[in-house]
Amino acid sequence: TQLLEQSPQFLSIQEGENLTVYCNSSSVFSSLQWYRQEPGEGPVLLVTVVTGGEVKKLKRLTFQFGDARKDSSLHITAAQPGDTGLYLCAGERTGANNLFFGTGTRLTVIP
Amino acid sequence: DVKVTQSSRYLVKRTGEKVFLECVQDMDHENMFWYRQDPGLGLRLIYFSYDVKMKEKGDIPEGYSVSREKKERFSLILESASTNQTSMYLCASSLYLGGIGGSGNTIYFGEGSWLTVV
Repeated sequence: TQLLEQSPQFLSIQEGENLTVYCNSSSVFSSLQWYRQEPGEGPVLLVTVVTGGEVKKLKRLTFQFGDARKDSSLHITAAQPGDTGLYLCAGERTGANNLFFGTGTRLTVIP
Repeated sequence: DVKVTQSSRYLVKRTGEKVFLECVQDMDHENMFWYRQDPGLGLRLIYFSYDVKMKEKGDIPEGYSVSREKKERFSLILESASTNQTSMYLCASSLYLGGIGGSGNTIYFGEGSWLTVV
């Protein structure tokens, strides 16, 4: 059973378009992280959100943590080919010593 | 910068062989992890270690064992490789136990080891 479900699983868009990736769960998390993984490399942390309702911006990327801390979204404005990669959400639960990773969204931005 | 180094990027092994995947981190981190990554399943935790000689089972420990004789080194062992263990294996480390996100404790990943068992 997957604790965190991401949608869509695959996304292919044209350069300049906007997109949103969702990370959903029925469980509550004390924090949620988003990673990007490029081919042949390990995941790299993009952001951590901690407070329910929190919104963080990283240039063209906007991350939101749901009010109930069960879900999160990643919105990319004016996507660039350099945004291509696998996006993973990961949640931390109180008392657990590791992260629970989502199923991943593979984004392709076509020039 | 934190460096997590996995010694083998690509391996091809035969069914039944014993396989060692080595991982070294250079930041004196307490925690080390082994994940496997498969399409559509995300990352699944195999084992983690919070101290030398200490280990905890993750979500999918069957068919694997680990060794942490030194703080900087965490090895994943497949005693008898099987074809269903063909996967990408990721090693990771973090500074200390617990409070991963809220306290800014980040997990750092290696580049991955692609294992094919034939």
